[in-house]
Amino acid sequence: TQLLEQSPQFLSIQEGENLTVYCNSSSVFSSLQWYRQEPGEGPVLLVTVVTGGEVKKLKRLTFQFGDARKDSSLHITAAQPGDTGLYLCAGAESNFNKFYFGSGTKLNVKP
Amino acid sequence: NAGVTQTPKFQVLKTGQSMTLQCAQDMNHNSMYWYRQDPGMGLRLIYYSASEGTTDKGEVPNGYNVSRLNKREFSLRLESAAPSQTSVYFCASRDRQAFNQPQHFGDGTRLSIL
Repeated sequence: TQLLEQSPQFLSIQEGENLTVYCNSSSVFSSLQWYRQEPGEGPVLLVTVVTGGEVKKLKRLTFQFGDARKDSSLHITAAQPGDTGLYLCAGAESNFNKFYFGSGTKLNVKP
Repeated sequence: NAGVTQTPKFQVLKTGQSMTLQCAQDMNHNSMYWYRQDPGMGLRLIYYSASEGTTDKGEVPNGYNVSRLNKREFSLRLESAAPSQTSVYFCASRDRQAFNQPQHFGDGTRLSIL
C-alpha cells in the first residue's frame, strides 16, 4: 500500500473540459509537490505547497493543500492536448529529506 | 546543461546476475535518490543520500545496495537480480538547503530481468 493515494488512476477527456485530480493520505506532510511526467522521461516539478489551506495557480492549473496538510488537489481548467501526461503528487517528511510519491493519475486530453 | 545523467538507459539481465546502475549530477546538490517505477505504482523510494557520506533506506530497499561515491555520484547495485526487480529506475538529486526545492530526475534506466 502506498502512503499517498491518487484518484482517479486514469482520466480521458475532451479538449476544453475541466478536471480535478486528488491526492489523499492519513499522514501529515511538511510539504507536497506535484510533478508531471511524459513517456520516456523523468518527472518534472509543477509546484510545491507548504502551508495548510494554501492555493497556488499556475496558468490554467490550480493546486490546493488541505488544511490539515494530509491531502491536495490539482484542478485543470479548459484542458488542452498538451496537458496529457502522468501527474504525480509527492509528500515530504518533516526533515524534507524523504519523499513519498502517489500512484499517479494518467491524463489523456483528446483534441 | 546535463543535470542528472543515468547509465545505462536499457539493460537486460538473467536471474542471479549482478549489475550497478550509475547516476551523476552536475548541480552540486547535497541530496540524491533512487526510485523504481512500476505500472500503477507511481515511484517508490529505494534508498536516498541526504548528504555526501550518508545513505538511508527508503520504502523498498530489499535486494539493493547503494554507494555515495562522492557528491556527484550515487550508484545502485543489484547483487543477485530477480524478475521482481524488472522496473524503470530513476535517480534524482535535490538542493536540500531550501524546503521547496524540486527533485531533478534523470531519464531512467529500463531494466528487465529474465
